[in-house]
Amino acid sequence: NAGVTQTPKFQVLKTGQSMTLQCAQDMNHNSMYWYRQDPGMGLRLIYYSASEGTTDKGEVPNGYNVSRLNKREFSLRLESAAPSQTSVYFCASSEKTSLQETQYFGPGTRLLVL
Amino acid sequence: GNSVTQMEGPVTLSEEAFLTINCTYTATGYPSLFWYVQYPGEGLQLLLKATKADDKGSNKGFEATYRKETTSFHLEKGSVQVSDSAVYFCALGSGGSYIPTFGRGTSLIVHP
Repeated sequence: NAGVTQTPKFQVLKTGQSMTLQCAQDMNHNSMYWYRQDPGMGLRLIYYSASEGTTDKGEVPNGYNVSRLNKREFSLRLESAAPSQTSVYFCASSEKTSLQETQYFGPGTRLLVL
Repeated sequence: GNSVTQMEGPVTLSEEAFLTINCTYTATGYPSLFWYVQYPGEGLQLLLKATKADDKGSNKGFEATYRKETTSFHLEKGSVQVSDSAVYFCALGSGGSYIPTFGRGTSLIVHP
């Protein structure tokens, strides 16, 4: 049982380049999330998917797009990377969106945009 | 809206010292409260949670009590170890938005 996996672990991009961060979970969870973590800012939600076939914006969606490919996979795309998108990106999943649900996190992707 | 306020870090302690990390919240309705821990180079993982007032969550020697009257969920441990060095996040889940709200995190450094 791998839990939540993310690829790649590290990435360096030049301004204007595009890339897709991949996330997969094997816990049969309905809900998946993308966060970014910046020093002193904690975690900020970029997008989430409450269930397969749905996606919604979080707190900081600008410059990102997402795709819920199937129940297992939820990808995050940067169409034209900017230095402000340098961050650590975490994918998470939960059985469903509810008040009491625990979120399970992947190990993160460290992205540097030059 | 919902918000979580944690004490600023880093908190630096010697091994076997007593730990308190303060967390207060603002939320609508009756939130659930969580503490997550992030070890160096890893993602967050749940440490403990409490889903109603006066509940106490506990795990690995850590405890936190859901205090509705003071809107607090302070994390405590009686005797910290070097292996407890990590960043601790307080979070809440509240009606109207089922997406958790996270605090900014408190870094704990434990010296031998």
